[in-house]
Amino acid sequence: EVTLVESGGDLVQPGGSLRLSCAASGFIFSDYWMNWVRQAPGKGLEWVANIKQDGSEKYYVDSVKGRFTISRDNARNSLYLQMDSLRAEDTAVYFCAARSGGGGAFDIWGQGTMVTVSS
Amino acid sequence: AIQMTQSPSSLSASVGDRVSITCRTSQGIGNDLGWYQQKPGRAPKFLIYGASNLQRGVPSRFSGSRSGTDFTLTISSLQPEDVASYYCLQDYNYPWTFGQGTKVEIK
Repeated sequence: EVTLVESGGDLVQPGGSLRLSCAASGFIFSDYWMNWVRQAPGKGLEWVANIKQDGSEKYYVDSVKGRFTISRDNARNSLYLQMDSLRAEDTAVYFCAARSGGGGAFDIWGQGTMVTVSS
Repeated sequence: AIQMTQSPSSLSASVGDRVSITCRTSQGIGNDLGWYQQKPGRAPKFLIYGASNLQRGVPSRFSGSRSGTDFTLTISSLQPEDVASYYCLQDYNYPWTFGQGTKVEIK
């Protein structure tokens, strides 16, 4: 079965840090660009960051540049998101998603993990 | 950044109706657009890629089309299980962007 399972979401104070993980199984993880997408409560989807198959390229939405770092470990079939200097507006469900090719094709999604930034 | 204007923000239609949702992009993106369905409390589900290609396993009542910078998702015969929010996504240019979403309800 093809799955992505996120973990690491929690309640954290503004200015704090958190590391999200995403464990992949049932497909060849190293073949896919991997993405983080978030959804604030009651709001729409927002693409956050992605990383190339070999980790050589990384891209971020402007609002998280310099604060968030995406990484992957293909040997462990895992994706990560290190989140520093967290703000209230980072409160959201964070999904990891695998992209097999172009054309807006995010084929595989995890169930999401909730990050709440509040004092 | 490419702006995505998705409309309508919500719609209510009867079972069996044909419904359409549009995403307009602020610049040309070729066919680099996908459509997603999201039910409350669930992860998005991938429906269409390359503007008009149906993902495996997605019912054939869903279709996508493109005219210039206007992209349309059509449900040919609305079913109760189609109640959800729908989003478009462009991955032509960074930052990749989603439309604002369309909530579809049954009248």
